[in-house]
Amino acid sequence: GESVGLHLPTLSVQEGDNSIINCAYSNSASDYFIWYKQESGKGPQFIIDIRSNMDKRQGQRVTVLLNKTVKHLSLQIAATQPGDSAVYFCAETDSGTYKYIFGTGTRLKVLA
Amino acid sequence: DAGITQSPRHKVTETGTPVTLRCHQTENHRYMYWYRQDPGHGLRLIHYSYGVKDTDKGEVSDGYSVSRSKTEDFLLTLESATSSQTSVYFCAIYSGTGEQETQYFGPGTRLLVL
Repeated sequence: GESVGLHLPTLSVQEGDNSIINCAYSNSASDYFIWYKQESGKGPQFIIDIRSNMDKRQGQRVTVLLNKTVKHLSLQIAATQPGDSAVYFCAETDSGTYKYIFGTGTRLKVLA
Repeated sequence: DAGITQSPRHKVTETGTPVTLRCHQTENHRYMYWYRQDPGHGLRLIHYSYGVKDTDKGEVSDGYSVSRSKTEDFLLTLESATSSQTSVYFCAIYSGTGEQETQYFGPGTRLLVL
């Protein structure tokens, strides 16, 4: 089993439904944001990123929304699939510092 | 995976013994990082490196040291392991290519200190 995720909030969604995972970030100076996916026993994998001069960015089946006013980031996954089951967490950075702050994550469970 | 490997992948050791974890990258990235991941916490930075022989402390550096004598290798040493250092350790590199400035992670090392 994995050591990460024992106390994580969990989002359970039906296969085929859309998922929305939220993240509150902490640093007003952060200008670049990333969503990562972490499967059991593996390292975090990059999913999508967004800069602070944007409020929305779309990838393949994923969309990231950024609300700088309330320091909130969300990840939307369309037509959620069993392979999407994982822990998702956000990261923020103030560009040029080369340092990142990571959220604690949300576990996504896809129900068949 | 940005060409990052970590060794060992699993380690069990006893309290008081020194332990060294290795991170190896093949793509000549300048910045490398060591994190630990524990339940209830996000990834926490232990140490990072911005070049050969250039390292700095992160937020949880006590009890850890690092070395980087070559661009491709970043070593993390637990000088005298304690049970509180039981964790999953991840190495990461920074890759900034135009629009993206992302950290990519290795597969992790699970360390159990008895």
